Amino acid sequence: AQSVTQPDIHITVSEGASLELRCNYSYGATPYLFWYVQSPGQGLQLLLKYFSGDTLVQGIKGFEAEFKRSQSSFNLRKPSVHWSDAAEYFCAVGAPLTGGGNKLTFGTGTQLKVEL
Amino acid sequence: KAGVTQTPRYLIKTRGQQVTLSCSPISGHRSVSWYQQTPGQGLQFLFEYFSETQRNKGNFPGRFSGRQFSNSRSEMNVSTLELGDSALYLCASSPPGGTNYGYTFGSGTRLTVV
Repeated sequence: AQSVTQPDIHITVSEGASLELRCNYSYGATPYLFWYVQSPGQGLQLLLKYFSGDTLVQGIKGFEAEFKRSQSSFNLRKPSVHWSDAAEYFCAVGAPLTGGGNKLTFGTGTQLKVEL
Repeated sequence: KAGVTQTPRYLIKTRGQQVTLSCSPISGHRSVSWYQQTPGQGLQFLFEYFSETQRNKGNFPGRFSGRQFSNSRSEMNVSTLELGDSALYLCASSPPGGTNYGYTFGSGTRLTVV
């Protein structure tokens, strides 16, 4: 079965500093990988996704992620963090289901705090 | 275009009661998935509906059920509520097509069981 590990529960960065959120996955086949962001009391917003091809994926809000098959990682990065980036970030792996369709398996999330 | 709409946004129920949550997907989306989010268990897959049929179900007891209507709107029901059912319930819709994974999530329904 697939699984996702986000080793950092909380991360604090200063506004303007760079950011890297770690994600490691376990999946037997070629993974479909995602990063979502969740603001308090809200649903999940897709930041970016990786299906195949170029291992460096660009997303919304200036985020990017790099897929490294050898390390089973899909880390999220941003060169300069803004105060509005404070939120919880979830990494997920997608897998097809036997009944058709698919599901996402999420990591436990990383809470990002931005210091002004 | 309108996003995924979940109603109500907040609910407070008493143990032993039942509850029904609603999800209206994006127009044209035929697949609706439900996820439960709790501080202890994180985000967990509940079930997925497509063309009024439940295609898949996660590892939840039979108290959790759902259905999908011909207009793709979906409801989920939890019977005999327990304190541990307190959670944010998220619905996501996606357009038809294989491994699309084009999920759009709603803002969720916050259920509190007292």
